[in-house]
Amino acid sequence: DTGVSQDPRHKITKRGQNVTFRCDPISEHNRLYWYRQTLGQGPEFLTYFQNEAQLEKSRLLSDRFSAERPKGSFSTLEIQRTEQGDSAMYLCASSLEEGELFFGEGSRLTVL
Amino acid sequence: SQQGEEDPQALSIQEGENATMNCSYKTSINNLQWYRQNSGRGLVHLILIRSNEREKHSGRLRVTLDTSKKSSSLLITASRAADTASYFCACRYTGGFKTIFGAGTRLFVKA
Repeated sequence: DTGVSQDPRHKITKRGQNVTFRCDPISEHNRLYWYRQTLGQGPEFLTYFQNEAQLEKSRLLSDRFSAERPKGSFSTLEIQRTEQGDSAMYLCASSLEEGELFFGEGSRLTVL
Repeated sequence: SQQGEEDPQALSIQEGENATMNCSYKTSINNLQWYRQNSGRGLVHLILIRSNEREKHSGRLRVTLDTSKKSSSLLITASRAADTASYFCACRYTGGFKTIFGAGTRLFVKA
């Protein structure tokens, strides 16, 4: 499968725990995006990478969120000290240039 | 906020009818894209229209863009029950890197 893959697909954690999501983009795509989506809402932009450089980060993102893309390939999104309000679907997308975004199936986080 | 807005929020039609969804945005864009999302799944790209284009077609889909009104519409002709999904417009604004999504239109096509 040559699409965007995300892992894990589902994560249930207790409040205060740290969680990490991984995204493997389409191999030739140099642009990678993370979004968060809650029920009934559109995807909310979190951060953007071009190759390994994190060029934009949402002001909505608290210091508990961090993302990396070492070597410009896969990316990780870590949430520290999770809160119930972090419960959402975390979507990763990749693209070439300014074209269409290719999304993974998402990682659903439930914080108890 | 740069977030675009879709209208209507929800739409219910009979199979065979046409469905029209509208999107308005705030500032100048490089391109505007439409995506589809089935419940609990990732988003699938439908059409991209650039700021210098006015209309694009793809199969049963027709997208228009009016930059003077900062609005776009997505028309699905001869709808099918399988078209039931949420549809989102997404704007690639000039001067930035991010693509911003609206809240979406929930389309229900009754067989």
